[in-house]
Amino acid sequence: NAGVMQNPRHLVRRRGQEARLRCSPVKGHSHVYWYRQLPEEGLKFMVYLQKENIIDESGMPKERFSAEFPKEGPSILRIQQVVRGDSAAYFCASSPMGGMNTEAFFGQGTRLTVV
Amino acid sequence: TQLLEQSPQFLSIQEGENLTVYCNSSSVFSSLQWYRQEPGEGPVLLVTVVTGGEVKKLKRLTFQFGDARKDSSLHITAAQPGDTGLYLCAGDNNAGNMLTFGGGTRLMVKP
Repeated sequence: NAGVMQNPRHLVRRRGQEARLRCSPVKGHSHVYWYRQLPEEGLKFMVYLQKENIIDESGMPKERFSAEFPKEGPSILRIQQVVRGDSAAYFCASSPMGGMNTEAFFGQGTRLTVV
Repeated sequence: TQLLEQSPQFLSIQEGENLTVYCNSSSVFSSLQWYRQEPGEGPVLLVTVVTGGEVKKLKRLTFQFGDARKDSSLHITAAQPGDTGLYLCAGDNNAGNMLTFGGGTRLMVKP
C-alpha cells in the first residue's frame, strides 16, 4: 500500500463541526475509492471517483457527505455537521485503471473521532 | 446487494497449527481478493483469484476460488505469530466499480 497518502491520520471533531479527509493516490493513478470501517468490521464502500468525476456514490450517505477528486490535488472526503456515528476509520484506495479487480492500493486511513 | 460472509470471525491458535478461513456468498463474483490488515494500518492485498477453481499459493498461504466463483478459502500452514492480523476477503461487483468486503477474520497466533 506504499504510495497512497492519507491525512490526517487521526482527526478529532466536536459534534456539528466539519471533517475534511484528504487522499493523495499513487502517482499516475486516476481512480480513487473511499471506504469506511467501523471497529471490528469489514470495509464498506462509499464512493468511486475518477479525475473530476464521481463514477459511483451508491455507498455514500445522501446528506452531509460529499467527495471530490479535482484535476489537481488530492481527493477530499468532506463530512459536514459530524455526529458521533460518523466516528470510524476512513480508507482511500487508488488504482491505475477502473475496476477493483485491478490491483488497488490502500492508504493507512484517517481515524475520525467525534466527541 | 452482494454479501460476503467470513468464518470464523475470531480464531486463536498456537504457533505451528494449520487453519482455514472461509468466505461465502450467494452471489457470483468476477474476481475475489484477500487482504491482511494490521492494527492502525490499511488493508494490504495478498492475492486476487479470478478463475473458478483457481488455487494460488503464497509461501505458507493457499487461496482457493470456488468452482462457481461464489466462495473462497484461505489456508495457512504452520501458522506463525507474524500471521496475526485481520484477514478480509473482498469481491468485485462485476461492474468493476467497487469491492464488497466480508466482515473479516481476526487471527491471533500465540508463540
